[in-house]
Amino acid sequence: DVKVTQSSRYLVKRTGEKVFLECVQDMDHENMFWYRQDPGLGLRLIYFSYDVKMKEKGDIPEGYSVSREKKERFSLILESASTNQTSMYLCASIGLPSSYEQYFGPGTRLTVT
Amino acid sequence: AQKITQTQPGMFVQEKEAVTLDCTYDTSDPSYGLFWYKQPSSGEMIFLIYQGSYDQQNATEGRYSLNFQKARKSANLVISASQLGDSAMYFCAMREVPQGGSEKLVFGKGMKLTVNP
Repeated sequence: DVKVTQSSRYLVKRTGEKVFLECVQDMDHENMFWYRQDPGLGLRLIYFSYDVKMKEKGDIPEGYSVSREKKERFSLILESASTNQTSMYLCASIGLPSSYEQYFGPGTRLTVT
Repeated sequence: AQKITQTQPGMFVQEKEAVTLDCTYDTSDPSYGLFWYKQPSSGEMIFLIYQGSYDQQNATEGRYSLNFQKARKSANLVISASQLGDSAMYFCAMREVPQGGSEKLVFGKGMKLTVNP
């Protein structure tokens, strides 16, 4: 019954590395989202995509980019990882307009050293 | 300005008691939706309940109900008969469609509920 998967649960990278976080959903959803979650700050939207090759900036896009080449896959890219990007990253998808429920992946805890 | 406000950073409740988790929101859109999610220590986000702005009745899902007061812009989650497994972080969220933009969810900062035996 897997709906949204993320490539890694835990990831450790060095400062300056290029980091790819992959998200795949099997529900044929149009809309996909990347959030980061930090204690006391809740979930903050980084980028989202409402169609293949389409993307929109969320509230905190700086230092990140995204790629959506196929409907089921939405990738988050950290061009040059920094220590302040150490966080929990959550991917989600939603099937509009038929459903309002947003399905989340299990999250990737990224540590940048 | 915050669009979703959860003022209680943490709450404690005794098992089998009811508990209310507060959420207020800010929007000028006539059409919006409000969500509650649960995040246990394992980290996954679990959808609990949804309330549409035009829904006439308060949403209910099993032990969860949403006390929707539109005029006060509040959407409090009520958990009846708390269970130990209810101990988790809880997030309130609002669906918004910015003018000229695409639909997205805005989350509150969350609050931690601890259920004591």
